[in-house]
Amino acid sequence: ELKVEQNPLFLSMQEGKNYTIYCNYSTTSDRLYWYRQDPGKSLESLFVLLSNGAVKQEGRLMASLDTKARLSTLHITAAVHDLSATYFCAPGEGSNYKLTFGKGTLLTVNP
Amino acid sequence: DARVTQTPRHKVTEMGQEVTMRCQPILGHNTVFWYRQTMMQGLELLAYFRNRAPLDDSGMPKDRFSAEMPDATLATLKIQPSEPRDSAVYFCASGLPTGLRNTIYFGEGSWLTVV
Repeated sequence: ELKVEQNPLFLSMQEGKNYTIYCNYSTTSDRLYWYRQDPGKSLESLFVLLSNGAVKQEGRLMASLDTKARLSTLHITAAVHDLSATYFCAPGEGSNYKLTFGKGTLLTVNP
Repeated sequence: DARVTQTPRHKVTEMGQEVTMRCQPILGHNTVFWYRQTMMQGLELLAYFRNRAPLDDSGMPKDRFSAEMPDATLATLKIQPSEPRDSAVYFCASGLPTGLRNTIYFGEGSWLTVV
């Protein structure tokens, strides 16, 4: 059974600062998804990482995947208040696209 | 703008009643998922389908939950009888594994409260 560990689970940071969220998973996976969820809302897809060494960037967020280490990171650069949300990682199992979600990281960006 | 559509958005029901949630996946997507989200358990996969065939429903309590895809444009999740512990947000999601983007899109969710 695939287990996913995100850390930290809670992150409070100041605007303008940088930080990284880590996602470790227990078994081999060739793809990993990052989602954002605002309170009371649905999950919004941020990144899909499909190969070892994949790196994707969108605005102040950058995600990377190391399949050998079973690790993905979500790096936040110069945080702004609008980035406050819960961020989930979800590696995919096998060829059937089955996603197992981490518990999420609640990010609060303070002015 | 293509999106996954779920109904109802909100439902309050009494314990013991039947609840049916519906999902219209994005046109052309052949993989459909049902997830449940609670504060305690987080996001749990209940069931998922590929080309309307169930691939895995091991996360679903079999005695009271059932999931079907009567056709490619409709997925249903039924709870009978409902219990207070079923109170949660139920998300439907769809995707196309062979698509260029491989993105899985989530619906807005069905917020269920069982009293």
